[in-house]
Amino acid sequence: DAGVTQSPTHLIKTRGQHVTLRCSPISGHKSVSWYQQVLGQGPQFIFQYYEKEERGRGNFPDRFSARQFPNYSSELNVNALLLGDSALYLCASSPDREIYGYTFGSGTRLTVV
Amino acid sequence: GQSLEQPSEVTAVEGAIVQINCTYQTSGFYGLSWYQQHDGGAPTFLSYNALDGLEETGRFSSFLSRSDSYGYLLLQELQMKDSASYFCAGASRAGKSTFGDGTTLTVKP
Repeated sequence: DAGVTQSPTHLIKTRGQHVTLRCSPISGHKSVSWYQQVLGQGPQFIFQYYEKEERGRGNFPDRFSARQFPNYSSELNVNALLLGDSALYLCASSPDREIYGYTFGSGTRLTVV
Repeated sequence: GQSLEQPSEVTAVEGAIVQINCTYQTSGFYGLSWYQQHDGGAPTFLSYNALDGLEETGRFSSFLSRSDSYGYLLLQELQMKDSASYFCAGASRAGKSTFGDGTTLTVKP
C-alpha cells in the first residue's frame, strides 16, 4: 500500500510568489493535517481537514490556506511568499479524527529566495 | 496553548539504555505522543500515552505522569539505526499536535 505521498518533493520560489503543495493520504484515511518544520525545530501545526471541512487551524497568517477534495487529497496554498516560509512542509493522514498516531509523508522542501 | 521542552541532544553507546524526557505546559491536553525522524525523512509515530503509566512497544517504552506534566521515552538495547531526532508531541482537540523542538540522539559504537 502506498503511504502518504506529497508533491513536489522540492521547490524553489521567489519572494512574493504563490505556491501550491499537494498531498494524497493513505487509502481510506479521511483526515489530513499540514505541518511546517523549520530546520532544527519540531513540526508546527498549520491545518487539519476531515471530511473536506477544516477542523483545526494553527497560528499562521491568512496567506496560508488549504482545502480537501472529495477523494480526501489535499492542497496547501501559500500566497505572497516570504523568506521565512522556507521550510519542510509535512502532510499527515489518519483514518478518522484521531488526535495521535498520524502517518506523515516525506514532505515538500520549499526554498524561498 | 501548549509548549513542550525536551533536551536538545543525547549521546549513548550501542547496547545501552537512554531516556529522553519531555515536560509540558498545556491547555486542553489529551495525551503525549512520540515520533522518530531520521535526517531528511518523515516523522514516524512511536507511541502514545493517554493515561498515566508505562506503555511498552518492543525496545521502546513511553511513560506519562499527568500530575507532573512529564513524560519520557525509553530506548533499550540501542542500535546504530536509532540515531535520529525524537519529538514529543502534546495531543489536543481538533487533531492539533504541538511538537517539542526534538532531541537528537547519537548512538556511538
